[in-house]
Amino acid sequence: EVQLVESGGGLVQPGGSLRLSCAASGFTFRDYVMHWVRQAPGKGLDCISAISGTGGTTFYAESVKGRFTISRDNSKNTLYLQMGSLRAEDMAVYYCARGGTGDPLDPWGQGTLVTVSS
Amino acid sequence: DIQMTQSPSAMSASVGDRVTITCRASQDISNYLAWFQQIPGKVPKRLIYSASSLQSGVPARFSGSGSGTEFTLTISSLQPEDFATYYCLQHNSYPFTFGPGTKVDIK
Repeated sequence: EVQLVESGGGLVQPGGSLRLSCAASGFTFRDYVMHWVRQAPGKGLDCISAISGTGGTTFYAESVKGRFTISRDNSKNTLYLQMGSLRAEDMAVYYCARGGTGDPLDPWGQGTLVTVSS
Repeated sequence: DIQMTQSPSAMSASVGDRVTITCRASQDISNYLAWFQQIPGKVPKRLIYSASSLQSGVPARFSGSGSGTEFTLTISSLQPEDFATYYCLQHNSYPFTFGPGTKVDIK
């Protein structure tokens, strides 16, 4: 069974940092583009970052460019999101999802909540 | 980044109604358009990808069409479990971008 499990969310102060992880199982992880998608409370879905299977190419939405870094460790079947200079507007549930242009965003993990507050 | 719009933003419908939601892209995305359903408190679920390919396990009352910049999601006969928010997604170029969503509630 294909499974994605996020971890690392929690409470962080404005300006702080946090690293999210997404553990993948049930498929050949290195063969797939992976994404981070977030959803602020009561708001819509927002694709914030993607990374190629090798990790050599990364993409970011303007809202997080320069503050967040996506990476992956294919030996550990794990995707990461290093978040820095966190702002109140970064508060959201963060999901990881699998898939490239031909088979997008399926499946998703269950999500991890990031709360930014002093 | 490619911008996506949806209409309507919200609608009320009855069980058995035919429902159509429209999504527009700010530039040509060929057929790289997916539709997702999200029930409150749940993880989004992919219904359709590549404009018209039905996800395995999704009921045939859901269908998608369109190409280029204009797309539609149709629910042929709305069921109680279909009351949810629907999002379109362009999967033509990275980072992918979602539309703002269409909330379908009970009339």
